[in-house]
Amino acid sequence: GQQVQQSPASLVLQEGENAELQCNFSSTATQLQWFYQSPGGSLVSLLSNPSGTKHTGRLTSTTVTKERRSSLHISSSQTTDSGTYLCAIDRGTGGYKVVFGSGTRLLVSP
Amino acid sequence: EAAVTQSPRNKVTVTGGNVTLSCRQTNSHNYMYWYRQDTGHGLRLIHYSYGAGNLQIGDVPDGYKATRTTQEDFFLLLELASPSQTSLYFCASSERQGGERLFFGHGTKLSVL
Repeated sequence: GQQVQQSPASLVLQEGENAELQCNFSSTATQLQWFYQSPGGSLVSLLSNPSGTKHTGRLTSTTVTKERRSSLHISSSQTTDSGTYLCAIDRGTGGYKVVFGSGTRLLVSP
Repeated sequence: EAAVTQSPRNKVTVTGGNVTLSCRQTNSHNYMYWYRQDTGHGLRLIHYSYGAGNLQIGDVPDGYKATRTTQEDFFLLLELASPSQTSLYFCASSERQGGERLFFGHGTKLSVL
């Protein structure tokens, strides 16, 4: 089964609203990263957060390792935040295999 | 910021064709990866390498070969391309394994007719 599940699959917001993205994973993760993918573009790492809470700019990630879940909170969303947000875990199985979720597609309208 | 360059950006071939996708990273990273991205599946790891001459199998290796000729260069080879390999391919690199940041190229869109 899918090892990394993200929800919601898509999200539409008005500019200024907050977004909450969820990531659940079914296997032990030694590392967890959130990525941003612009429409038709490449992926950029936003945060590495294997446990606890991390902030960068308007982004806050909270990972509860025991419960195998992580969230990404985007405050005061902007139209430039539109794109796909991907969660990825490193299973740490002795080889480096980063497994990605299918992503949450975010659309922020003005 | 690490630079990962993929070529070509777009490629069209026919079933049974021979395709080579190239990736070069210029930040002396040890690890390099090839992923494919398909709707409904997210990114899936095809092959990866932790140094020149090394190759590790990923999660969806069937139909793909890869070769790491130098620390900078990692190639993905499709020797008998099939329509199921139509996809968006990403190359990535990282300095070490175990949670280091991944740096991605801009992707290669491959269409197999």
